[in-house]
Amino acid sequence: GENVEQHPSTLSVQEGDSAVIKCTYSDSASNYFPWYKQELGKGPQLIIDIRSNVGEKKDQRIAVTLNKTAKHFSLHITETQPEDSAVYFCAADGNNRLAFGKGNQVVVIP
Amino acid sequence: KAGVTQTPRYLIKTRGQQVTLSCSPISGHRSVSWYQQTPGQGLQFLFEYFSETQRNKGNFPGRFSGRQFSNSRSEMNVSTLELGDSALYLCASFGVNTEAFFGQGTRLTVV
Repeated sequence: GENVEQHPSTLSVQEGDSAVIKCTYSDSASNYFPWYKQELGKGPQLIIDIRSNVGEKKDQRIAVTLNKTAKHFSLHITETQPEDSAVYFCAADGNNRLAFGKGNQVVVIP
Repeated sequence: KAGVTQTPRYLIKTRGQQVTLSCSPISGHRSVSWYQQTPGQGLQFLFEYFSETQRNKGNFPGRFSGRQFSNSRSEMNVSTLELGDSALYLCASFGVNTEAFFGQGTRLTVV
């Protein structure tokens, strides 16, 4: 089945700087790659997603890039703010399920 | 549009007991998946239901089971609880374009 790996596991950035989280996946048939943000005590919230027919997608301060050849996709957060501090999960579809990475703790230092 | 509703939010059970968790998906969504979230393992897929049928199952023992009703609401059941079953159980409701929307989860603590 699909295997998703996420790096780094923890990322600390200064407020205003950019944060980048990278994920790799194993199943070349995967076509859908969402990113989730999970704050303490809450369920994961879908923040952006990308499908295999595009290479990049932006939504205000967040963007996702996809490299199907290399089987990796990345989340980019620009002008980070304290409220961006959370755990971020990437996922990829396969066999009628979403396979998730283990999560990345992002800490934005004021 | 109401989001995914999971009840209860918190549960404390004793080893050996059983537990039933409930999930009401977003109105109109027919597919529901369940995930177990633990600090060390991330989100682990339990099973997926579509139109009352289990379409997919993860690598969990038979003590974990689920079902879906005609109104798309879903329940999962864990029998003979073990300490290691302590986790956040998340339900995801799927839209027609594969987007998954999660509920707040049920925090299960087994003592």
